[in-house]
Amino acid sequence: DAGVIQSPRHEVTEMGQEVTLRCKPISGHNSLFWYRQTMMRGLELLIYFNNNVPIDDSGMPEDRFSAKMPNASFSTLKIQPSEPRDSAVYFCASSWDRSKVLFFGSGTQLSVL
Amino acid sequence: GQQLNQSPQSMFIQEGEDVSMNCTSSSIFNTWLWYKQDPGEGPVLLIALYKAGELTSNGRLTAQFGITRKDSFLNISASIPSDVGIYFCAGQQFSGSARQLTFGSGTQLTVLP
Repeated sequence: DAGVIQSPRHEVTEMGQEVTLRCKPISGHNSLFWYRQTMMRGLELLIYFNNNVPIDDSGMPEDRFSAKMPNASFSTLKIQPSEPRDSAVYFCASSWDRSKVLFFGSGTQLSVL
Repeated sequence: GQQLNQSPQSMFIQEGEDVSMNCTSSSIFNTWLWYKQDPGEGPVLLIALYKAGELTSNGRLTAQFGITRKDSFLNISASIPSDVGIYFCAGQQFSGSARQLTFGSGTQLTVLP
């Protein structure tokens, strides 16, 4: 079975550029999560979708960050404009609504120069 | 948000040794999960615990849900080189979906040959 699929695996960009991260959740899962992982702060929940609707975006750091889920099989996390402090690994995860278990993708390593 | 204290932060052990790590909280949790993150990959679920006092094994891994519901531990017996990685605990306070998960800061395990 295919797991959570993220792209790209690595992204290197210059400060000020727009960055778009993509995620395909596991088929049949109706909850989708975007996390950010850094050495200093560990795993931070950025935003959570349920049935394609954003439920909790309180973890989104700034207005420069936005996320969409146009359908059940695709989500994007966009940073515009990007800044060096956005450098981190960004994970997408999905779950079945009633489940307490998250399934993570392999992550996108973002470097903003 | 709720805090999980995970210890130790890092461990260096010899191949064949047993390993123990734990997570504690000042709050009661209804679910404890243990994840492992290999370098360059996303966290993968190892063991899920749903009842106080529950002791669950997965191969060489054993995890327990503390009787007070405020802690959990993970043991790895007879460590091997592929056990290297970061181990995360995650707890959930309320009955519900994965969106209420709180992650520990991780234990970095290094297995020396």
